[in-house]
Amino acid sequence: AQSVTQLDSHVSVSEGTPVLLRCNYSSSYSPSLFWYVQHPNKGLQLLLKYTSAATLVKGINGFEAEFKKSETSFHLTKPSAHMSDAAEYFCVVSDQVGGSSASKIIFGSGTRLSIRP
Amino acid sequence: DSGVTQTPKHLITATGQRVTLRCSPRSGDLSVYWYQQSLDQGLQFLIHYYNGEERAKGNILERFSAQQFPDLHSELNLSSLELGDSALYFCASSPRGGTGGYEQFFGPGTRLTVL
Repeated sequence: AQSVTQLDSHVSVSEGTPVLLRCNYSSSYSPSLFWYVQHPNKGLQLLLKYTSAATLVKGINGFEAEFKKSETSFHLTKPSAHMSDAAEYFCVVSDQVGGSSASKIIFGSGTRLSIRP
Repeated sequence: DSGVTQTPKHLITATGQRVTLRCSPRSGDLSVYWYQQSLDQGLQFLIHYYNGEERAKGNILERFSAQQFPDLHSELNLSSLELGDSALYFCASSPRGGTGGYEQFFGPGTRLTVL
């Protein structure tokens, strides 16, 4: 069965320090993994995605994530936080439903990132 | 701006009523997805349509239904509304039928309040 767990509901860092948002997943097939960001009162925007190519994925705004199959993890990182990074972040897993072409999508519960000046 | 539009932005209604939420995907996108976001349930996938046909169902209640029209816009119908249906409803679109590997472009959402 598919699932995704975001290990922290809230992360607070100082501006200019590294960001780590943790995500673990389980999937019966070869999953696609995504990180989305949601700023207050806005829709979701894709940060990055993993689809079985390179395990280190670079996204927008300096974010990157590493797919580690042995640890079933897909943690999101950024070397230096900026005030504009304050938002909700969602880890998403998607894979095929049985032998069909349809896919199942599971969102994590979200991690709220706060940035201290 | 993602190119996905949703109307209305806000909707306030009473329990027992029926409402229709509308979504227009990005130009050229064939897939439309509906999501519900609430404080207690988080973000839940409801249903996926591709080129007019239902592709996948998530945690969609029987009181809810959706369809995708020939011009590819989609409507989500919510009936016999309950207080717990109050949430933000998002629509997303993508170019293809499956979700594996394809970015979804999200609309700004419709905030439904059931009183």
